[in-house]
Formats: sequence, C-alpha cells, structure tokens
Amino acid sequence: DAMVIQNPRYQVTQFGKPVTLSCSQTLNHNVMYWYQQKSSQAPKLLFHYYDKDFNNEADTPDNFQSRRPNTSFCFLDIRSPGLGDAAMYLCATSPESGAVRYFGPGTRLTVT
Amino acid sequence: QKEVEQNSGPLSVPEGAIASLNCTYSDRGSQSFFWYRQYSGKSPELIMSIYSNGDKEDGRFTAQLNKASQYVSLLIRDSQPSDSATYLCATGGGADGLTFGKGTHLIIQP
Repeated sequence: DAMVIQNPRYQVTQFGKPVTLSCSQTLNHNVMYWYQQKSSQAPKLLFHYYDKDFNNEADTPDNFQSRRPNTSFCFLDIRSPGLGDAAMYLCATSPESGAVRYFGPGTRLTVT
Repeated sequence: QKEVEQNSGPLSVPEGAIASLNCTYSDRGSQSFFWYRQYSGKSPELIMSIYSNGDKEDGRFTAQLNKASQYVSLLIRDSQPSDSATYLCATGGGADGLTFGKGTHLIIQP
C-alpha cells in the first residue's frame, strides 16, 4: 500500500528545459516537503507546506518552485535545470510540523 | 546554524556483532530525534525515533539519547548483511526544523 507516491521515478531533462516532478499521498497529512539529495550528502530541505501555507527555505534557488493544489498532491517545478540540479528529489509528509517524515521513493533527475 | 554531525565511515562490522552509530547535534532546543536507514539509490526509511533521555529498544535496534551531551546513538545487535546501508541521523523541534546529518555508511561483513 503505497503511502507517498512520486512520479516519475526517473526523469531525464535537457539543460534549461523546464521539468515538473509530482508527489501524491494517501495519508492525509497536513505537511508536505520537498528535499534535494545529492550523492553522499544529507537531504536538503527546499520547501514545505503546512496545509496551504508555503514555506521556502532561505537558500532555495529561485529556479525551484512548488505548488500544492490540494491536500494530496504537491509539485516541484524546476524552471531552467542546470547540471548542478541533477539529484534525487524526495517528497515527504508528516502529520504535523517537526514529526517523523514519511518519504516517497524519490525521483532521480538527470540533466543532460 | 543547526548542525548534525556523523562520522561518514565506512564503518565495517562483522556479521553477528553490534554496530554502534553515533551522532552529535548543535541545537540544544531539539526535541525529536530520528534514525533513518537509506539503501543506495533508495529513499530514507525510518528506523527509530526517540524523544526522551535514555534508551529505546525496538527489536535489534536501540536508540540512546543524552540531551546534556547533545548526543544520540543507534545500536544494531546481531548485525546482518541486510543492515548494510547509510544511516542518517536527524533532529528537529521547531515548525520545520528537521536537520539531517550526512549519514554513516555501514558495511556488515559476512
């Protein structure tokens, strides 16, 4: 029973070509997060939503945007991907702020 | 700036032995502590959570927390080859403040 679903699992895009990653959850959690994880590094929080309230981390590049049209879905838009944006993108949810994160399987983004 | 420090390893442990993973954190206000296991190319999976000083046991796993020393550890008893993975320590306590360490790469040698 998948709880946090990410699509696609693997995404290849060209340098500068916009790409959208999607995340959905069946847990009805209030909080949804997007993390970026590069090889051998800690997951880095990009944004999170508490219900509809959007919270952007101070060092998240403007190139990254997010949308949460309803409780179940959240999207990550990368407007002009650069080679340095190649990473695993992890969506996570939690029932409340500060609580355990339930991670989706991730989307591996390759930029050519 | 909140920081979580872990020895990146690799930490090599013989099968059947106890693996001990350590983590220190800088934010004294942290209230929640988590250990995640991450296999190569996969997403993190929650192993243990701990909120109070002392030990918490779950099967072969024991989490230990010492808030005075700002130290949290994970013990894995009877280590199995399937325990080979990267273990991420994470701490948090605020509205969004879950901070991850870079992880310790654990190798269980058959």
